[in-house]
Amino acid sequence: QSVLTQPPSASGTPGQRVTISCSGSSSNIGSNTVNWYQQLPGTAPKLLIYSTNQRPSGVPDRFSGSKSGTSASLAISGLQSEDEADYYCAAWDDSLNVPCVFGTGTKVTVL
Amino acid sequence: EVRLVESGGGLVQPGGSLRLSCAASGFTFSTYDMHWVRQAPGKGLEWVSYISSGSSTMYYADPVKGRFSISRDNAKNSLYLQMNSLTDEDTAVYYCARRIQPNGMDVWGQGTTVTVSS
Repeated sequence: QSVLTQPPSASGTPGQRVTISCSGSSSNIGSNTVNWYQQLPGTAPKLLIYSTNQRPSGVPDRFSGSKSGTSASLAISGLQSEDEADYYCAAWDDSLNVPCVFGTGTKVTVL
Repeated sequence: EVRLVESGGGLVQPGGSLRLSCAASGFTFSTYDMHWVRQAPGKGLEWVSYISSGSSTMYYADPVKGRFSISRDNAKNSLYLQMNSLTDEDTAVYYCARRIQPNGMDVWGQGTTVTVSS
């Protein structure tokens, strides 16, 4: 089972701001950077945010990441219909000694 | 174009073995660490295994430790996952992904499907 906990769902109307939380511990989020992935239906995941708050080239600045203590957040501002997808956080875990643990995933629905 | 293409998936009986491959192109494969990630039907992402660029360091998730083996051939720009003693819980789409520093996966393949069933 995942060591990073996300809400199963989130929703908003077009143009709204949606925030997704990712709760971990001192061995993962608390001591390492966080990455976020977007998975559109039927497709492979896509890197959305790396190093907690950095956007890869091509990712709109509507997406932003942050971290405080053992929790991280992904914010989507100006929500668009194409943002309807599953979102996963991920981080290195020092206690488990593995380079990646994924969050449980959040389904974002655009109403 | 930077690309990863997985192959080798299929239907296998419980207790059987399968070897997945991931062909890399469009970048210097030998300088990148690589991951395998899987996704069971209707479930979330699960990290499976990691290998460093020179094969000196490998990690495995607990559910596959002792049964799966990751390897690479930098001369062939290829990544592999040898899967033994398969169970129905290994049924999933398997993705290979490229690691970027400090720790993220910026390029993913399209995935290959493994079905374990009698």
